[in-house]
Amino acid sequence: EIVLTQSPATLSLSPGERATLSCRASQDIIGYLAWYQQKPAQPPRLLIYDASNRASGIPARFSGSGSGTDFTLTISSLEPEDFAVYYCQQRRYWPITFGGGTRVEIK
Amino acid sequence: EVQLVESGGGLVQPGGSLRLSCAASGFTFSNSAMGWVRQAPGKGLMWVSAISDSGGDTYYADSVKGRFTISRDTSENTLFLHINSLRAEDTAVYYCAKRYNSLWYFDSWGQGTLVTVSS
Repeated sequence: EIVLTQSPATLSLSPGERATLSCRASQDIIGYLAWYQQKPAQPPRLLIYDASNRASGIPARFSGSGSGTDFTLTISSLEPEDFAVYYCQQRRYWPITFGGGTRVEIK
Repeated sequence: EVQLVESGGGLVQPGGSLRLSCAASGFTFSNSAMGWVRQAPGKGLMWVSAISDSGGDTYYADSVKGRFTISRDTSENTLFLHINSLRAEDTAVYYCAKRYNSLWYFDSWGQGTLVTVSS
Protein backbone atom coordinates (compact mmCIF):
# COMPACT_ATOMS: atom_id res chain seq x y z
CA GLU A 1 0.00 0.00 0.00
CA ILE A 2 1.26 3.47 -0.89
CA VAL A 3 1.64 5.64 2.18
CA LEU A 4 1.25 9.38 1.61
CA THR A 5 2.85 11.58 4.26
CA GLN A 6 1.71 15.19 4.38
CA SER A 7 3.63 17.96 6.04
CA PRO A 8 3.35 20.05 7.99
CA ALA A 9 0.35 18.83 9.97
CA THR A 10 -0.67 22.44 10.58
CA LEU A 11 0.31 25.61 8.78
CA SER A 12 -0.42 28.93 10.49
CA LEU A 13 -0.48 31.80 8.03
CA SER A 14 -2.15 35.15 7.47
CA PRO A 15 -4.40 36.10 4.55
CA GLY A 16 -2.29 37.19 1.59
CA GLU A 17 0.61 34.91 2.49
CA ARG A 18 1.86 32.03 0.38
CA ALA A 19 1.11 28.48 1.51
CA THR A 20 3.30 25.53 0.56
CA LEU A 21 2.01 22.06 1.42
CA SER A 22 3.96 18.85 0.91
CA CYS A 23 2.93 15.28 0.14
CA ARG A 24 5.51 12.50 0.01
CA ALA A 25 4.74 9.03 -1.35
CA SER A 26 6.35 5.85 -0.08
CA GLN A 27 6.94 4.71 -3.67
CA ASP A 28 7.15 6.29 -7.11
CA ILE A 29 3.63 7.24 -8.17
CA ILE A 30 4.76 9.09 -11.30
CA GLY A 31 2.38 12.07 -11.38
CA TYR A 32 -0.80 10.34 -10.31
CA LEU A 33 -1.65 12.56 -7.40
CA ALA A 34 -4.58 14.79 -6.55
CA TRP A 35 -5.21 17.47 -3.96
CA TYR A 36 -8.52 18.11 -2.19
CA GLN A 37 -9.75 20.87 0.08
CA GLN A 38 -12.17 20.15 2.91
CA LYS A 39 -13.95 22.67 5.07
CA PRO A 40 -15.80 21.79 8.32
CA ALA A 41 -19.00 19.79 7.80
CA GLN A 42 -18.45 19.72 4.05
CA PRO A 43 -17.29 16.98 1.69
CA PRO A 44 -13.88 17.30 0.03
CA ARG A 45 -13.48 19.32 -3.16
CA LEU A 46 -11.11 18.29 -5.92
CA LEU A 47 -8.53 21.01 -6.56
CA ILE A 48 -5.68 19.48 -8.55
CA TYR A 49 -5.42 16.20 -10.46
CA ASP A 50 -2.43 14.40 -11.92
CA ALA A 51 -0.10 16.57 -9.86
CA SER A 52 -0.48 19.87 -11.69
CA ASN A 53 -3.85 20.18 -13.44
CA ARG A 54 -6.48 22.41 -11.89
CA ALA A 55 -9.97 20.96 -11.74
CA SER A 56 -12.85 22.88 -13.22
CA GLY A 57 -13.61 26.15 -11.46
CA ILE A 58 -10.52 26.14 -9.24
CA PRO A 59 -8.87 29.56 -8.94
CA ALA A 60 -5.44 30.11 -10.44
CA ARG A 61 -3.91 30.83 -7.03
CA PHE A 62 -3.92 27.05 -6.48
CA SER A 63 -1.11 25.20 -8.21
CA GLY A 64 0.41 21.78 -7.94
CA SER A 65 3.81 20.41 -8.82
CA GLY A 66 5.99 17.38 -8.40
CA SER A 67 6.51 13.88 -9.67
CA GLY A 68 7.81 10.56 -8.44
CA THR A 69 7.57 10.70 -4.66
CA ASP A 70 7.50 14.43 -3.83
CA PHE A 71 4.58 16.73 -4.50
CA THR A 72 3.65 20.26 -3.54
CA LEU A 73 0.44 22.23 -3.41
CA THR A 74 0.98 25.99 -3.45
CA ILE A 75 -1.59 28.65 -2.69
CA SER A 76 0.00 31.83 -3.96
CA SER A 77 -1.92 34.30 -1.80
CA LEU A 78 -4.29 33.00 0.84
CA GLU A 79 -7.87 34.18 0.71
CA PRO A 80 -10.10 33.93 3.81
CA GLU A 81 -11.99 31.02 2.26
CA ASP A 82 -8.79 28.99 1.77
CA PHE A 83 -8.38 28.19 5.46
CA ALA A 84 -9.27 24.52 5.52
CA VAL A 85 -7.78 21.03 5.57
CA TYR A 86 -5.99 19.76 2.45
CA TYR A 87 -5.53 16.12 1.49
CA CYS A 88 -3.49 14.43 -1.20
CA GLN A 89 -4.60 11.18 -2.88
CA GLN A 90 -2.81 8.77 -5.21
CA ARG A 91 -4.28 6.65 -7.97
CA ARG A 92 -1.13 4.89 -9.15
CA TYR A 93 -1.74 1.69 -7.24
CA TRP A 94 -4.70 -0.03 -5.60
CA PRO A 95 -5.74 0.60 -2.94
CA ILE A 96 -6.35 4.27 -3.46
CA THR A 97 -4.82 6.09 -0.50
CA PHE A 98 -5.06 9.53 1.04
CA GLY A 99 -2.55 11.49 3.04
CA GLY A 100 -3.28 12.42 6.62
CA GLY A 101 -4.03 16.04 5.79
CA THR A 102 -2.58 19.50 6.40
CA ARG A 103 -4.64 22.06 8.25
CA VAL A 104 -4.14 25.63 7.06
CA GLU A 105 -5.22 27.91 9.87
CA ILE A 106 -5.35 31.64 10.35
CA LYS A 107 -2.38 32.99 12.26
CA GLU B 1 -25.79 19.90 -11.72
CA VAL B 2 -24.37 16.69 -10.26
CA GLN B 3 -26.14 15.59 -7.09
CA LEU B 4 -25.25 12.67 -4.87
CA VAL B 5 -27.46 12.00 -1.87
CA GLU B 6 -26.51 9.31 0.62
CA SER B 7 -28.88 7.60 3.00
CA GLY B 8 -29.06 4.53 5.20
CA GLY B 9 -26.68 5.47 7.98
CA GLY B 10 -27.54 5.18 11.63
CA LEU B 11 -26.70 3.58 14.95
CA VAL B 12 -25.97 -0.13 14.76
CA GLN B 13 -24.59 -2.66 17.22
CA PRO B 14 -21.24 -4.34 16.67
CA GLY B 15 -21.67 -7.28 14.33
CA GLY B 16 -24.70 -5.70 12.70
CA SER B 17 -25.38 -4.81 9.09
CA LEU B 18 -26.45 -1.79 7.08
CA ARG B 19 -27.10 -0.89 3.48
CA LEU B 20 -26.02 2.57 2.41
CA SER B 21 -27.55 4.11 -0.69
CA CYS B 22 -26.45 6.98 -2.89
CA ALA B 23 -29.01 8.49 -5.26
CA ALA B 24 -27.31 10.09 -8.25
CA SER B 25 -28.64 12.75 -10.61
CA GLY B 26 -27.41 15.43 -12.99
CA PHE B 27 -25.06 13.18 -14.96
CA THR B 28 -25.11 9.91 -16.90
CA PHE B 29 -24.79 7.46 -14.03
CA SER B 30 -24.32 4.45 -16.29
CA ASN B 31 -21.17 6.04 -17.76
CA SER B 32 -19.57 6.90 -14.43
CA ALA B 33 -17.45 4.83 -12.11
CA MET B 34 -18.17 5.51 -8.45
CA GLY B 35 -16.68 5.07 -5.03
CA TRP B 36 -17.16 5.27 -1.29
CA VAL B 37 -14.83 7.18 1.02
CA ARG B 38 -15.25 7.37 4.77
CA GLN B 39 -14.09 9.74 7.47
CA ALA B 40 -14.03 8.80 11.13
CA PRO B 41 -14.97 11.62 13.52
CA GLY B 42 -12.16 14.17 13.61
CA LYS B 43 -9.95 12.06 11.35
CA GLY B 44 -8.80 12.01 7.75
CA LEU B 45 -10.20 10.46 4.61
CA MET B 46 -10.06 6.75 3.89
CA TRP B 47 -11.04 5.20 0.58
CA VAL B 48 -13.34 2.22 1.12
CA SER B 49 -14.53 0.81 -2.18
CA ALA B 50 -15.01 1.54 -5.87
CA ILE B 51 -16.96 0.15 -8.81
CA SER B 52 -16.57 0.53 -12.55
CA ASP B 53 -19.23 2.14 -14.72
CA SER B 54 -20.50 -1.27 -15.82
CA GLY B 55 -20.37 -2.72 -12.34
CA GLY B 56 -18.14 -5.49 -13.62
CA ASP B 57 -15.09 -4.42 -11.63
CA THR B 58 -15.10 -3.78 -7.91
CA TYR B 59 -12.32 -2.75 -5.55
CA TYR B 60 -12.02 -2.76 -1.76
CA ALA B 61 -9.70 -1.55 0.95
CA ASP B 62 -8.12 -4.49 2.76
CA SER B 63 -9.75 -3.51 6.04
CA VAL B 64 -13.26 -3.97 4.60
CA LYS B 65 -12.72 -6.80 2.13
CA GLY B 66 -15.10 -9.65 2.80
CA ARG B 67 -17.39 -7.48 4.93
CA PHE B 68 -18.41 -4.71 2.52
CA THR B 69 -20.01 -5.13 -0.91
CA ILE B 70 -20.39 -2.34 -3.42
CA SER B 71 -23.05 -2.52 -6.11
CA ARG B 72 -25.05 -0.28 -8.39
CA ASP B 73 -28.50 -0.20 -9.96
CA THR B 74 -28.34 1.71 -13.22
CA SER B 75 -32.12 1.63 -13.67
CA GLU B 76 -32.48 3.49 -10.37
CA ASN B 77 -29.31 5.62 -10.70
CA THR B 78 -28.29 4.38 -7.27
CA LEU B 79 -25.04 3.22 -5.73
CA PHE B 80 -25.04 0.89 -2.74
CA LEU B 81 -22.67 -0.22 -0.03
CA HIS B 82 -23.69 -3.30 1.91
CA ILE B 83 -21.86 -3.44 5.22
CA ASN B 84 -21.73 -6.57 7.36
CA SER B 85 -19.99 -7.53 10.61
CA LEU B 86 -19.71 -3.92 11.66
CA ARG B 87 -16.97 -2.93 14.08
CA ALA B 88 -16.49 0.12 16.25
CA GLU B 89 -13.71 1.27 13.92
CA ASP B 90 -16.21 1.44 11.04
CA THR B 91 -17.84 4.44 12.73
CA ALA B 92 -17.54 7.26 10.22
CA VAL B 93 -19.27 9.52 7.77
CA TYR B 94 -19.54 7.60 4.51
CA TYR B 95 -19.31 9.67 1.35
CA CYS B 96 -20.42 8.58 -2.09
CA ALA B 97 -18.25 10.07 -4.84
CA LYS B 98 -18.13 10.14 -8.61
CA ARG B 99 -14.94 9.31 -10.46
CA TYR B 100 -13.36 12.15 -12.40
CA ASN B 101 -13.59 11.18 -16.10
CA SER B 102 -11.44 8.06 -16.52
CA LEU B 103 -9.13 8.88 -13.63
CA TRP B 104 -9.51 7.44 -10.16
CA TYR B 105 -9.98 10.73 -8.42
CA PHE B 106 -13.33 12.00 -7.19
CA ASP B 107 -14.79 15.22 -8.57
CA SER B 108 -18.26 15.16 -7.02
CA TRP B 109 -19.20 14.12 -3.52
CA GLY B 110 -22.36 13.71 -1.52
CA GLN B 111 -22.84 15.25 1.91
CA GLY B 112 -22.29 11.89 3.58
CA THR B 113 -24.22 9.61 5.89
CA LEU B 114 -23.08 8.86 9.43
CA VAL B 115 -22.66 5.26 10.55
CA THR B 116 -22.19 4.77 14.29
CA VAL B 117 -21.27 1.34 15.59
CA SER B 118 -21.88 1.06 19.30
CA SER B 119 -23.62 -1.14 21.82
